[in-house]
Amino acid sequence: QSVVTQPPSASGTPGQRVTISCSGSSSNIGSNTVNWYQQLPGTAPKLLIYNINQRPSGVPDRFSGSKSGTSASLAISGLQSEDEADYYCAAWDDSLNGYVFGTGTKVTVL
Amino acid sequence: EVQLVESGGGLVQPGGSLRLSCAASGFTFSSYEMNWVRQAPGKGLEWLSYIRTSGIPIYYADSVKGRFTISRDNAKNSLYLQMNSLRAEDTALYYCAREAKQWLVAGAFDYWGQGTLVTVSS
Repeated sequence: QSVVTQPPSASGTPGQRVTISCSGSSSNIGSNTVNWYQQLPGTAPKLLIYNINQRPSGVPDRFSGSKSGTSASLAISGLQSEDEADYYCAAWDDSLNGYVFGTGTKVTVL
Repeated sequence: EVQLVESGGGLVQPGGSLRLSCAASGFTFSSYEMNWVRQAPGKGLEWLSYIRTSGIPIYYADSVKGRFTISRDNAKNSLYLQMNSLRAEDTALYYCAREAKQWLVAGAFDYWGQGTLVTVSS
């Protein structure tokens, strides 16, 4: 069981805004940066957001990240059908001396 | 083009061993920190191990500490994961992942392989 938790699912209609939460502790999110990954069905994960709110080249600006205390969030605005995927947050954990992934959230476009 | 290609997966009996390899190309492998991440069927991502460019330090998840060993051969542009004392719960797709260095951010895995499947079963 991961020490970083996410809601198992989220959904929205095309064009809506969807937000995914990522709840950790002082040893991970509270003291380290957060990265987000998108995993489309049957494919390897892809880096979506790094350093809390930065987007790698090629990632649409519909995706944004934030962090407050021991929690982080990923927002998808203007939801599109191709955004249907699993999303994971991740951070270094100072107590475990390793990286931890969140439990993952499956986003469904209705 | 950056490529990471894992190999070495397969069916192994409980208690057995496997050695996974990750062949890197398209970038200066020796300059990048590397990781192994796995995903059990229908489950989420689990980070397993990290190795720095020089081979030190190395970190492991508690779930594999003492059983798995990460290593690298910079001359061969390759990353390895020696897996011993395998258990049914180690059944998963195993990915190698490159840690981005241009942003100086920990844990930003910017390139992933396609994964190699390990099945532990009698």
